[in-house]
Amino acid sequence: GAVVSQHPSRVICKSGTSVKIECRSLDFQATTMFWYRQFPKQSLMLMATSNEGSKATYEQGVEKDKFLINHASLTLSTLTVTSAHPEDSSFYICSARKLAGGNNEQFFGPGTRLTVL
Amino acid sequence: GEDVEQSLFLSVREGDSSVINCTYTDSSSTYLYWYKQEPGAGLQLLTYIFSNMDMKQDQRLTVLLNKKDKHLSLRIADTQTGDSAIYFCAEIHSGYSTLTFGKGTMLLVSP
Repeated sequence: GAVVSQHPSRVICKSGTSVKIECRSLDFQATTMFWYRQFPKQSLMLMATSNEGSKATYEQGVEKDKFLINHASLTLSTLTVTSAHPEDSSFYICSARKLAGGNNEQFFGPGTRLTVL
Repeated sequence: GEDVEQSLFLSVREGDSSVINCTYTDSSSTYLYWYKQEPGAGLQLLTYIFSNMDMKQDQRLTVLLNKKDKHLSLRIADTQTGDSAIYFCAEIHSGYSTLTFGKGTMLLVSP
């Protein structure tokens, strides 16, 4: 299979604090990992694309200093929401694409629900 | 830029067939996907089709692709209450690494 995990699944934090979300590909190596944000009853909005060992590519309108992405290995990418504010509350979903084989599919994690008080 | 459109809502009775439709604008799409999202969960890849195919069947799922009209559909046979979810179509084309998603179709299956 191609399993992607995220941790934590749910986090509540105070305004001004930073939150780190991990995304792991459990049984495959991922060349590329993606971070999405999903607002209630809406589609996924791509935030950034990260390749192992290089800087992430952010989509227009996404603040790179606000959403720090580190892709340290072929199985792990992290998203840190710095100085979180209530408007950052959302459902964050990561996905990973296989290093070899596959058909360009992205395999998605279960998501992380962030609530900023 | 690319655009993917879906109807927002579909309601069917258990045992009926469901057909979820999707249109896209990018004629250079190479892969088209259907994802399922259950409440509070991430996306599960259901099936995909290459742009040079017209149809793909996988158990209860049938994907039809009309390239001329840039229309993609997902048919679920014998729909069950467990099929209730939001279904996203998505496309990708060569030279790009990112998926373009539709807004999702909420499928509600009633007993």
